[in-house]
Amino acid sequence: DAGVIQSPRHEVTEMGQEVTLRCKPISGHDYLFWYRQTMMRGLELLIYFNNNVPIDDSGMPEDRFSAKMPNASFSTLKIQPSEPRDSAVYFCASSLKGPPLYEQYFGPGTRLTVT
Amino acid sequence: KNEVEQSPQNLTAQEGEFITINCSYSVGISALHWLQQHPGGGIVSLFMLSSGKKKHGRLIATINIQEKHSSLHITASHPRDSAVYICAGGSQGNLIFGKGTKLSVKP
Repeated sequence: DAGVIQSPRHEVTEMGQEVTLRCKPISGHDYLFWYRQTMMRGLELLIYFNNNVPIDDSGMPEDRFSAKMPNASFSTLKIQPSEPRDSAVYFCASSLKGPPLYEQYFGPGTRLTVT
Repeated sequence: KNEVEQSPQNLTAQEGEFITINCSYSVGISALHWLQQHPGGGIVSLFMLSSGKKKHGRLIATINIQEKHSSLHITASHPRDSAVYICAGGSQGNLIFGKGTKLSVKP
């Protein structure tokens, strides 16, 4: 199995531009999670889906962030417009089982830099 | 005050030493997760536990629900164990993460 796939691995963009991060979960996994990691705040859950339906988006910072999961094999996290404070590593993870005892498989992350 | 706190923040050990990383939480949780983040940035899930103790190879995780405390132990530490270890607690999918413990094991 290829594991969780994220693209791009690195993204550099200018403030105000739209950014789209992509994730392909492990086949058969019903849960998909988006996380953000910064030096200051550590890892934070942004949103998670179960069977393509958003379950908890309370971690999404503001209206500039949106996430979709149009099918079981693809999810996007969009930032529009981007700001320098959005610079972080964004991880996608998937799991077979749901909370609370669920083993998550993380993608390699997308390092986003907004200048 | 963070809802999930880890100690120590940094830890340096000699190869072969027994290592303990602590995690305390102030929120009610159903499960406690331990993750390992490699120097290259990749994250691996090590343990998920709601009670008692779990063991995998040289790694042992324990949790005391009453005391809201969990520990991660590494026996016979090795330089390849060098990584950041992160604990996280939650009841549904909304995990709250500690800031991590950076472990460096010297040969």
